[in-house]
Amino acid sequence: GQQVMQIPQYQHVQEGEDFTTYCNSSTTLSNIQWYKQRPGGHPVFLIQLVKSGEVKKQKRLTFQFGEAKKNSSLHITATQTTDVGTYFCAGNYGGSQGNLIFGKGTKLSVKP
Amino acid sequence: DAGITQSPRHKVTETGTPVTLRCHQTENHRYMYWYRQDPGHGLRLIHYSYGVKDTDKGEVSDGYSVSRSKTEDFLLTLESATSSQTSVYFCAINQLGSAYGYTFGSGTRLTVV
Repeated sequence: GQQVMQIPQYQHVQEGEDFTTYCNSSTTLSNIQWYKQRPGGHPVFLIQLVKSGEVKKQKRLTFQFGEAKKNSSLHITATQTTDVGTYFCAGNYGGSQGNLIFGKGTKLSVKP
Repeated sequence: DAGITQSPRHKVTETGTPVTLRCHQTENHRYMYWYRQDPGHGLRLIHYSYGVKDTDKGEVSDGYSVSRSKTEDFLLTLESATSSQTSVYFCAINQLGSAYGYTFGSGTRLTVV
């Protein structure tokens, strides 16, 4: 079946350092979504990327969608303790509603 | 998010017993989804619904059934719970389908002993 690979699994940073998580699919995606889950919480939708090469920003967060629509990244500039949580990408392969596949997530910890 | 609630929030049950989890939404969204979240596996789709009485299987549907008799309610039933079904279960909704962002409920932590 379809699979979305996400790396790294864990990332520990000092507050103020940058952080990046990457997602990769072996086949072309229709779009990709990003979610954040705080410890003990539920996933919260952050953004969706649709176009090849698309770049979107939300304050210190920058999201990119690859030219081939097979990979994506989330970059956080100057991390803060409020950024702690697990970041998931979810690749949409189109077709049926069951074709949104989540990566396993990157768990970010930030040391003050 | 206030528009979607899951019940119960926590449940401990014995192996072999039936269990029903409820997802209730007040957003009148068409699509509803049940996911399970396990360490090392991320979020995996169990079943989804695209309308009243319209449901379909997801990636990990074995041992689970669902029902949607009203737009606002989506029930997940474990017919005979097993220890492998110990997990955190999330319900999600959206109006336009999987091409758009989901709103997740707060989850149900189920332990099967």
